[in-house]
Amino acid sequence: EPEVTQTPSHQVTQMGQEVILRCVPISNHLYFYWYRQILGQKVEFLVSFYNNEISEKSEIFDDQFSVERPDGSNFTLKIRSTKLEDSAMYFCASSEDYRDSEAFFGQGTRLTVV
Amino acid sequence: DAKTTQPPSMDCAEGRAANLPCNHSTISGNEYVYWYRQIHSQGPQYIIHGLKNNETNEMASLIITEDRKSSTLILPHATLRDTAVYYCIVQGGSEKLVFGKGMKLTVNP
Repeated sequence: EPEVTQTPSHQVTQMGQEVILRCVPISNHLYFYWYRQILGQKVEFLVSFYNNEISEKSEIFDDQFSVERPDGSNFTLKIRSTKLEDSAMYFCASSEDYRDSEAFFGQGTRLTVV
Repeated sequence: DAKTTQPPSMDCAEGRAANLPCNHSTISGNEYVYWYRQIHSQGPQYIIHGLKNNETNEMASLIITEDRKSSTLILPHATLRDTAVYYCIVQGGSEKLVFGKGMKLTVNP
């Protein structure tokens, strides 16, 4: 079965440092997403990406966040200057379409900001 | 915010059918009902979705009421591995999935 893969599985970074979370979506999918889940809280939408541009983003996705699909296979989330409150599980997902279509989620990257 | 209402938790005996309810009384005509689940802190896993007809796949069945204001996810023979948080999500024109608190299903031996 096809799967979305994320690396690393766990990242520890110092406050103020930049981090890049990486994802390999399913190859024929057109929509890509990042979600996050702070420990004990809901899964929250961050951003969706289609046709090489951001198609939708949440209020959480401010100027410190950016996404990129650098080479046609990887999909990355960059956090420019990490804060303690950025500590969370970050999930990448992809889908063929955004309607009438299942989203496949990766296993997540646990980001710990110290 | 989430447009669905689910009970916070439910128990089920192993081998029995688990019927998970969801209310979505404000659903619009073009919105789909999706079910996902999350085991521990793993990534959410798609289960099934539907618009107005009942749906069945290898994992579950989805029963949507005729007025579309509620639905039931049925796991026909629950196993211990089905213990998870189950999310009922309504999605229409937006690309995002809005996850609520979900319902914790515990399958007991």
